[in-house]
Amino acid sequence: GDSVTQMEGPVTLSEEAFLTINCTYTATGYPSLFWYVQYPGEGLQLLLKATKADDKGSNKGFEATYRKETTSFHLEKGSVQVSDSAVYFCALSDSQAGTALIFGKGTTLSVSS
Amino acid sequence: GAVVSQHPSRVICKSGTSVKIECRSLDFQATTMFWYRQFPKQSLMLMATSNEGSKATYEQGVEKDKFLINHASLTLSTLTVTSAHPEDSSFYICSARGQINYNEQFFGPGTRLTVL
Repeated sequence: GDSVTQMEGPVTLSEEAFLTINCTYTATGYPSLFWYVQYPGEGLQLLLKATKADDKGSNKGFEATYRKETTSFHLEKGSVQVSDSAVYFCALSDSQAGTALIFGKGTTLSVSS
Repeated sequence: GAVVSQHPSRVICKSGTSVKIECRSLDFQATTMFWYRQFPKQSLMLMATSNEGSKATYEQGVEKDKFLINHASLTLSTLTVTSAHPEDSSFYICSARGQINYNEQFFGPGTRLTVL
């Protein structure tokens, strides 16, 4: 079945460092891809999404490009802030069937000043 | 727009009691709602999918008699944990999907259930 694999954390960075969180997926159809963020004590918030190959999702300085050839959707940010400390989840949805989201295990990011 | 609320945010109950968690879409009609369970430091696991007016579809391994889901209206779904036990302690999260932007889900803030 469909699945999402993302790099294990925790990821610890200093403020203004470059961030990459790797995410790869396995899907039989043409999924939509998402990054969600979960701040401490809060629910999930959609960070960005891409619905077809070569689409780039971006929000709050974060970016991710839907790469069909490598089945990847890596999350990047050029300069992280302390406020970016959170858990980041990569997810996919089979857009053909409109099914529920399949999540990766989450990557904890900790940014220190 | 696209706000989903959950109530309560936290609940502590004794073993053997039942707990009801509500999930509401505040500003859109949710044709489908999903219930997830999140264990500490782990990912979200889909428990069930509910469509308004029909029975919920449960994922493999989820006991439908223990986790009762009702989606009686386009803005409300409830999850009832019956005869709760300590192993049911978890973070329960709902999400809702409307008729517009069919492929996007909006998540509630979650409910922390602790069973003593």
